[in-house]
Amino acid sequence: DIQMTQSPSTLSASVGDRVTITCRASQSISSWLAWYQQKPGKAPKLLIYKASSLESGVPSRFSGSGSGTEFTLTISSLQPDDFATYYCQQYYGTFGQGTKVEIK
Amino acid sequence: QVQLVESGGGLVKPGGSLRLSCAASGFTFSDYYMSWIRQAPGKGLEWVSYISSSSSYTNYADSVKGRFTISRDNAKNSLYLQMNSLRAEDTAVYYCAREGPLKGYFDYWGQGTLVTVSS
Repeated sequence: DIQMTQSPSTLSASVGDRVTITCRASQSISSWLAWYQQKPGKAPKLLIYKASSLESGVPSRFSGSGSGTEFTLTISSLQPDDFATYYCQQYYGTFGQGTKVEIK
Repeated sequence: QVQLVESGGGLVKPGGSLRLSCAASGFTFSDYYMSWIRQAPGKGLEWVSYISSSSSYTNYADSVKGRFTISRDNAKNSLYLQMNSLRAEDTAVYYCAREGPLKGYFDYWGQGTLVTVSS
């Protein structure tokens, strides 16, 4: 089974900061990766699919990149609404363990 | 707008059974693959099972294989998860989710239903 490892597990940042979250796959998954945002008590929300395609309605400050085994989610300027937990997911399978973005 | 509404969760004893339902609206249900994904309290997300649009294909996580059965009724716009031989480690919020047009990822999620397995 392919394992997905996110880093860091927790990230402390301030409004306006540029934030980068990394997701590594244990073997190549081409560009078959999605990113989700989850707030406490709520269902996850799709942000990015196919590694770098922005889901409709998602603010352009979110971007994804990478292919093969290494991927990144970048928030260009962190907003108050962005404090949440972020998950990567390889298509048809495993999620990463999550990265919690906290207020610094 | 797309809506997915789960129901059927609750408290069940170890070894017991439960059937979850997911009512879909706002899209042509029969065109989409659907999945169940769960989240144990305070933990991350775990994909559980998927079913193809016509029910021809299903797949399960190893952790539930042989105990859980996914099904759908396209006439009723409904997705189901029959859960048997439940264990404490099955305790989680269960989400139904629609797979995106390119498949393999999830573009809409329900609000979730809590399943608690405890004596």
